[in-house]
Amino acid sequence: AQSVAQPEDQVNVAEGNPLTVKCTYSVSGNPYLFWYVQYPNRGLQFLLKYITGDNLVKGSYGFEAEFNKSQTSFHLKKPSALVSDSALYFCAVRGLNDMRFGAGTRLTVKP
Amino acid sequence: NAGVTQTPKFQVLKTGQSMTLQCAQDMNHNSMYWYRQDPGMGLRLIYYSASEGTTDKGEVPNGYNVSRLNKREFSLRLESAAPSQTSVYFCASSERERVNTEAFFGQGTRLTVV
Repeated sequence: AQSVAQPEDQVNVAEGNPLTVKCTYSVSGNPYLFWYVQYPNRGLQFLLKYITGDNLVKGSYGFEAEFNKSQTSFHLKKPSALVSDSALYFCAVRGLNDMRFGAGTRLTVKP
Repeated sequence: NAGVTQTPKFQVLKTGQSMTLQCAQDMNHNSMYWYRQDPGMGLRLIYYSASEGTTDKGEVPNGYNVSRLNKREFSLRLESAAPSQTSVYFCASSERERVNTEAFFGQGTRLTVV
């Protein structure tokens, strides 16, 4: 079965500093990986996805993600964090018929 | 641009009561999903439907039933609600044929069972 894991429940960074939210995956075959963000009392919003061949993926709001096949990781990054980036972030893996999510990482960016 | 619409947004049930959560999408997607979100556990897949007329169990199907009424609509039913089913429920949809496309989510239903 396909799965993703987010090893950190919480990530705290100062505004202006780079941020990383970690995700590792376990799949058979090609990985179809996604990052979503959830703001309070809202549904999930798509941020970016892995497309085969592009190890560095750029997405919405200045976020990017680095795919590493040897480490089976797909970490979310941003060069300079904003207070407004504070939210819950989910990594996900998609199969033909379903989509599975990690437990989520709460990102807090402090002024 | 409605996207994925869920009703109701909030609901309080007494233990043993039944209810149906409604979901509709207007993007002509084949695949639809129901998830529940609980603190510290992320989103867990309850049921999914790869196409009209088909449904399959996800990670946590016990206590739930689903109906894929047509291509647009996918409902989730709690026959006899239990406090353990207190959660936030999300419906989502995606294209089935293109696996590298993202899913779109509704705004969620906050359900409390007392």
